[in-house]
Amino acid sequence: KAGVTQTPRYLIKTRGQQVTLSCSPISGHRSVSWYQQTPGQGLQFLFEYFSETQRNKGNFPGRFSGRQFSNSRSEMNVSTLELGDSALYLCASSSDRGSNEKLFFGSGTQLSVL
Amino acid sequence: GDSVTQMEGPVTLSEEAFLTINCTYTATGYPSLFWYVQYPGEGLQLLLKATKADDKGSNKGFEATYRKETTSFHLEKGSVQVSDSAVYFCALRRETSGSRLTFGEGTQLTVNP
Repeated sequence: KAGVTQTPRYLIKTRGQQVTLSCSPISGHRSVSWYQQTPGQGLQFLFEYFSETQRNKGNFPGRFSGRQFSNSRSEMNVSTLELGDSALYLCASSSDRGSNEKLFFGSGTQLSVL
Repeated sequence: GDSVTQMEGPVTLSEEAFLTINCTYTATGYPSLFWYVQYPGEGLQLLLKATKADDKGSNKGFEATYRKETTSFHLEKGSVQVSDSAVYFCALRRETSGSRLTFGEGTQLTVNP
């Protein structure tokens, strides 16, 4: 069974640009969540999508948005990039939203904002 | 709000040494508790979990016990190997929060031969 796939693996952007990151969950998984990892703030929850609906949202500005398609693939978008958006963005999938359900993480997209 | 605090790192040990990484949490209700491990250049992998008080999670020689009275979930291993070198994250997840995990700061473990 293929794991969680995130593309691209690396991305370099400049301030003010926007970026779209993609996540393909494990086949059959309907929940996709996104996390930002930085040396200073650690791992922070961005949002979760389940069956194409956003069900949970972290404390990030509106520049961060996401969506989920009918095949459960998800994208997140960051508009008007700032230097502080440089981070590893991790996607995780699970089969449902139960608190005991195992999350499977992708290898992440490393975003650098110059 | 929910929070997880891990012992300050990094931790450097010799092979076959005993490992303890402390983790305490603050949360309402009865969250599930997790330890995740991150190897260089990779995403997070679930190491072990416990879903209720006094549960002990274990995997690959690692253990952690859910202590409600001390709100702790310390990670232990009796004899570490060089291959255990990685970053370890303690996390909690509330039943009502879906896939939302609250993570600790992470502890870098380096095991020398």
